[in-house]
Amino acid sequence: AQKVTQAQTEISVVEKEDVTLDCVYETRDTTYYLFWYKQPPSGELVFLIRRNSFDEQNEISGRYSWNFQKSTSSFNFTITASQVVDSAVYFCALSVNNAGNMLTFGGGTRLMVKP
Amino acid sequence: EPEVTQTPSHQVTQMGQEVILRCVPISNHLYFYWYRQILGQKVEFLVSFYNNEISEKSEIFDDQFSVERPDGSNFTLKIRSTKLEDSAMYFCASRGTSGRTYNEQFFGPGTRLTVL
Repeated sequence: AQKVTQAQTEISVVEKEDVTLDCVYETRDTTYYLFWYKQPPSGELVFLIRRNSFDEQNEISGRYSWNFQKSTSSFNFTITASQVVDSAVYFCALSVNNAGNMLTFGGGTRLMVKP
Repeated sequence: EPEVTQTPSHQVTQMGQEVILRCVPISNHLYFYWYRQILGQKVEFLVSFYNNEISEKSEIFDDQFSVERPDGSNFTLKIRSTKLEDSAMYFCASRGTSGRTYNEQFFGPGTRLTVL
């Protein structure tokens, strides 16, 4: 069975601060995919990134960056120079390469960016 | 850009009533999913559907739930006799089988179900 843990339930920062959201996963499969989704107050799930288990290269997209470390089973997400519009709930998720590829979500981290 | 659509956006029903939540997946996708999010909680997998049959389902997906792809475009989730605890946001998702977005699930905007 798969498990995703987001230990930080809520983080509050002041605008322009950097913030890192932690994600730790568990799976016995060797082929898997990791995701981050953003859920703004409007409720939809916005896809941010997908990473497969064979690609440990870190990725940067604008103010967002992701640090994938298989050795610690972590896939952390950093927002640089946070903005008020970054306020949302962020979910980390995992899928394994089987017939269903269902997503297992973590509990989410609520990020509040104050002006 | 193709997207997953869901109707209605909000459904209010009385306990014990049947509801059908509708989804139109992206047209060339072959895998379909339903997820549920109780207010303030995490997103939970309900069921996956491929080749006109359920491929996986969670413990939440009991006999009160069923899914169907009635006409080749819609993908529906039916709850036969709703309970108060079925109140949640229900997300539909679809996934392709090739290309750059392989293994990425595209989510619809959700249907908020309120059971009174």
